[in-house]
Amino acid sequence: QKEVEQDPGPLSVPEGAIVSLNCTYSNSAFQYFMWYRQYSRKGPELLMYTYSSGNKEDGRFTAQVDKSSKYISLFIRDSQPSDSATYLCAMIYPGNQGGKLIFGQGTELSVKP
Amino acid sequence: DSGVTQTPKHLITATGQRVTLRCSPRSGDLSVYWYQQSLDQGLQFLIQYYNGEERAKGNILERFSAQQFPDLHSELNLSSLELGDSALYFCASSRRETQYFGPGTRLLVL
Repeated sequence: QKEVEQDPGPLSVPEGAIVSLNCTYSNSAFQYFMWYRQYSRKGPELLMYTYSSGNKEDGRFTAQVDKSSKYISLFIRDSQPSDSATYLCAMIYPGNQGGKLIFGQGTELSVKP
Repeated sequence: DSGVTQTPKHLITATGQRVTLRCSPRSGDLSVYWYQQSLDQGLQFLIQYYNGEERAKGNILERFSAQQFPDLHSELNLSSLELGDSALYFCASSRRETQYFGPGTRLLVL
């Protein structure tokens, strides 16, 4: 079993829809959670960063962390065709591991005009 | 633009050869990370350097090595290349917990 699980999709939605992207993880020691967006095999771009449980909002994006369920989510409101990309969840490996990131497989999102 | 630069953008080489990938971190970032992204494995951590010293190692092959120089740029050396080493190689840098990725080097081994 992988430490971080993410449905690879693809996920296709109409423009203006609310998108929900999710990851589950197995290591309860994870405390730092990130979401990255990657366009067509370009460098991953940091979207959201949260520490521990709770919600964080930034414009059309909301990140949620539920540590009791080992479940994190990214919501995109009013989705746009420019949001079409692969979304990767990532977590910092705990302990003396130098901050390396463990990534989910990525979810491919397509927003249709 | 993340502020992390990587060269070259593309590299085509033959099996058995050796290549060097270069990364310059964001100004002020002391940590540099190397990741490999292949279609079947996703993004995998290779190695981290902090201010010139190796800090953490992932599933990096013995044929691969890296170093970080006094000016904080880093190089990833890949030797005895195999077809399966074809992938995207990303460098990231950080000051604290958040890592910022460069545009990557696309390596094709023929």
